[in-house]
Amino acid sequence: SQQGEEDPQALSIQEGENATMNCSYKTSINNLQWYRQNSGRGLVHLILIRSNEREKHSGRLRVTLDTSKKSSSLLITASRAADTASYFCATDRPDNNNDMRFGAGTRLTVKP
Amino acid sequence: DTAVSQTPKYLVTQMGNDKSIKCEQNLGHDTMYWYKQDSKKFLKIMFSYNNKELIINETVPNRFSPKSPDKAHLNLHINSLELGDSAVYFCASSQRGLAIEQFFGPGTRLTVL
Repeated sequence: SQQGEEDPQALSIQEGENATMNCSYKTSINNLQWYRQNSGRGLVHLILIRSNEREKHSGRLRVTLDTSKKSSSLLITASRAADTASYFCATDRPDNNNDMRFGAGTRLTVKP
Repeated sequence: DTAVSQTPKYLVTQMGNDKSIKCEQNLGHDTMYWYKQDSKKFLKIMFSYNNKELIINETVPNRFSPKSPDKAHLNLHINSLELGDSAVYFCASSQRGLAIEQFFGPGTRLTVL
């Protein structure tokens, strides 16, 4: 069954703007990960945040995690046209952190 | 130096046929996966193998049979293909441990006519 649900389904912004995508999940987790998928390609891991962490940064990416609300957000700052892709969150299970469940993703379009 | 490779990239076939998709990883990982991505982009896990042993088997029809000859390979065989099997199938691998980043293959687009 699906675990993560991304919101919004689609997001269109201008280059230079910030993009925020949200993820909600239903059950307890050990880790939450964000992945990126370019059209016609496989998913690429972006960042992992553990359940005992609240915020993490990697370059222009900022991820937050609120385990009380079972939600996470991915912020991409100063977006570029090359950031155009689908972004997925994935959550594991407390008893099996190899078992990752993905949502349907947020389709981000960054217009030049 | 491809990390996770899949063949073929595209597969077009008739209903009722049997087909296989191959996956190989050269990362030395001990766990491999098959995912199905439908037209709405939902990515659903189908199977997971750890050191050639099946550890995740979601509710998929038994027409789908994964085969892991060694820990670097996980092939997917599909019998009696149906229209609803049309999707993109992704192979992935990871190393069991605390930080489970998965590495994905490029996908195989299966079209059943």
